[in-house]
Amino acid sequence: GESVGLHLPTLSVQEGDNSIINCAYSNSASDYFIWYKQESGKGPQFIIDIRSNMDKRQGQRVTVLLNKTVKHLSLQIAATQPGDSAVYFCAEIEDSGAGSYQLTFGKGTKLSVIP
Amino acid sequence: ETGVTQSPTHLIKTRGQQVTLRCSSQSGHNTVSWYQQALGQGPQFIFQYYREEENGRGNFPPRFSGLQFPNYSSELNVNALELDDSALYLCASSRNSGNTIYFGEGSWLTVV
Repeated sequence: GESVGLHLPTLSVQEGDNSIINCAYSNSASDYFIWYKQESGKGPQFIIDIRSNMDKRQGQRVTVLLNKTVKHLSLQIAATQPGDSAVYFCAEIEDSGAGSYQLTFGKGTKLSVIP
Repeated sequence: ETGVTQSPTHLIKTRGQQVTLRCSSQSGHNTVSWYQQALGQGPQFIFQYYREEENGRGNFPPRFSGLQFPNYSSELNVNALELDDSALYLCASSRNSGNTIYFGEGSWLTVV
């Protein structure tokens, strides 16, 4: 199937600065996207999601932007904290039929926060 | 806490053996999916279960099989283990609408 990829494999930011993690997707039929945070040795943790009928969605300190024209997603983290250090994945939902919802992940971006 | 629990957390198996991994889904979630995550990679979809039947499968061979029980819990079985099966196996649950998919902490499998 088509893949979801990330532009930057690593990102280092100073504590207190804003972080922006980017993601490109290739399946124009995807209508649902999720950002996950994965800390070392743990499972992916849901951060925020967005549907294709939206351009922007905000959560607590996080904002996801969706640009369908260029098939691009971004995750913005405000006032980045040391606890934000992790690998971040974007994932798209592919409805493979019969109610099956398959997540397709990219390789991830490692965010390192410098104290 | 996601409400998705997996067991065991870590295990070591020998090539050729069989393994069973278990998952309890979040309350009210009737759909369970399994993913394999190799070191340094994103998770890869193995299959999904809904109403005790497999209703979607990724690019994995038949020696990867599963079950879903009436209480929505699930098992992943892998036969004839190979060295490349060493990975983190993740269980995810959701309502069948496909909204908000939550993951467990995973089971680390090492095949030697």
